[in-house]
Amino acid sequence: AQSVTQLGSHVSVSEGALVLLRCNYSSSVPPYLFWYVQYPNQGLQLLLKYTTGATLVKGINGFEAEFKKSETSFHLTKPSAHMSDAAEYFCAVRSSATDSWGKLQFGAGTQVVVTP
Amino acid sequence: SQTIHQWPATLVQPVGSPLSLECTVEGTSNPNLYWYRQAAGRGLQLLFYSVGIGQISSEVPQNLSASRPQDRQFILSSKKLLLSDSGFYLCAWSFSAASGEQFFGPGTRLTVL
Repeated sequence: AQSVTQLGSHVSVSEGALVLLRCNYSSSVPPYLFWYVQYPNQGLQLLLKYTTGATLVKGINGFEAEFKKSETSFHLTKPSAHMSDAAEYFCAVRSSATDSWGKLQFGAGTQVVVTP
Repeated sequence: SQTIHQWPATLVQPVGSPLSLECTVEGTSNPNLYWYRQAAGRGLQLLFYSVGIGQISSEVPQNLSASRPQDRQFILSSKKLLLSDSGFYLCAWSFSAASGEQFFGPGTRLTVL
């Protein structure tokens, strides 16, 4: 079974500082990996995804993530935090490359607070 | 382009009352559809998923049911709501199982009193 672990349920960063959100997964097959962002009382928005190919993927709003197979990690980073980055972030893994249902396994989420 | 709608946006219902939440997708055909629930302070829980009309799979047993009467319509229902049904309900769709990514609707905030 797939699983996702997000280290840190809450992260506080200063405006202009590096944002680093950690995500580790377990998978017996090559995974598809995703990062989503959720603003209060809204649905989830896809930030970026890794399926195959280049292990460093760039997404919207200046975020990027690197797939490291040896570490089973897919950490999300942004060089300089902006006040608008305050939100909850979810890491997700595709249940199985052969799963015909396309189900995603989500992490518990990390709430990001940006301080002036 | 594709869009996904959910309604109502918010709902306050008494315990024991019925429930019907609707989700529709525009701009694509034969999408995979999903219902999730977010309880306060908790992550996303997959409730139901569907790969076609009338094809519904339940992820966990509960007080809820789902139906897909049309290709791009997904309905979440309950005959009698419980306090524990309160939460933020999200509908999502994907092009196909191969792509993996899901696209989420704006959500419905349900409060059961």
